[in-house]
Amino acid sequence: EPEVTQTPSHQVTQMGQEVILRCVPISNHLYFYWYRQILGQKVEFLVSFYNNEISEKSEIFDDQFSVERPDGSNFTLKIRSTKLEDSAMYFCASREGRNTGELFFGEGSRLTVL
Amino acid sequence: EDKVVQSPLSLVVHEGDTVTLNCSYEVTNFRSLLWYKQEKKAPTFLFMLTSSGIEKKSGRLSSILDKKELFSILNITATQTGDSAIYLCAVENGANSKLTFGKGITLSVRP
Repeated sequence: EPEVTQTPSHQVTQMGQEVILRCVPISNHLYFYWYRQILGQKVEFLVSFYNNEISEKSEIFDDQFSVERPDGSNFTLKIRSTKLEDSAMYFCASREGRNTGELFFGEGSRLTVL
Repeated sequence: EDKVVQSPLSLVVHEGDTVTLNCSYEVTNFRSLLWYKQEKKAPTFLFMLTSSGIEKKSGRLSSILDKKELFSILNITATQTGDSAIYLCAVENGANSKLTFGKGITLSVRP
């Protein structure tokens, strides 16, 4: 069964460092998302991406965050200067169309900022 | 702002019991309601509901949506220890395709 894959599974970084989280969405999917889940809290929407541009972003997704599809298979989330409160599980998700199909989640990348 | 409230927040049952998990929502432009099961990491898809009154069923799990009263329930019959997980409810906004999640319901099934 096709799946969304994410790397790394866990990253520990120092505050102020840049982090890039990588995702490979399911190959025929066109819509990509990043969600995050701070330990013990809700899964929160960060950003959606279609046709090489951001479709929607939440208030959380400030100037420190960026997304990119550098090569047609990878979908990355960059945090420029990490803060302690960025520590969370980051989930990548994809779906076939904007209005169709279920949203498939990756296994997540746990980011720990020290 | 879209909102999802799940109840109860946690539940402990014994194998063989039947459980009902509740989800109520507010959304400006309803497209669908989704249930996910989260064990260790990624939420795994269970059901997508778009129409009221039509039960979706998968084995021992079933779910139904009431768009008038703005809620959904997820039923699990003959529970097994493998059903222990966090069950997430999310509502999709049709205007922007964003999912808003509830806090989840932690289900523990004891042998």
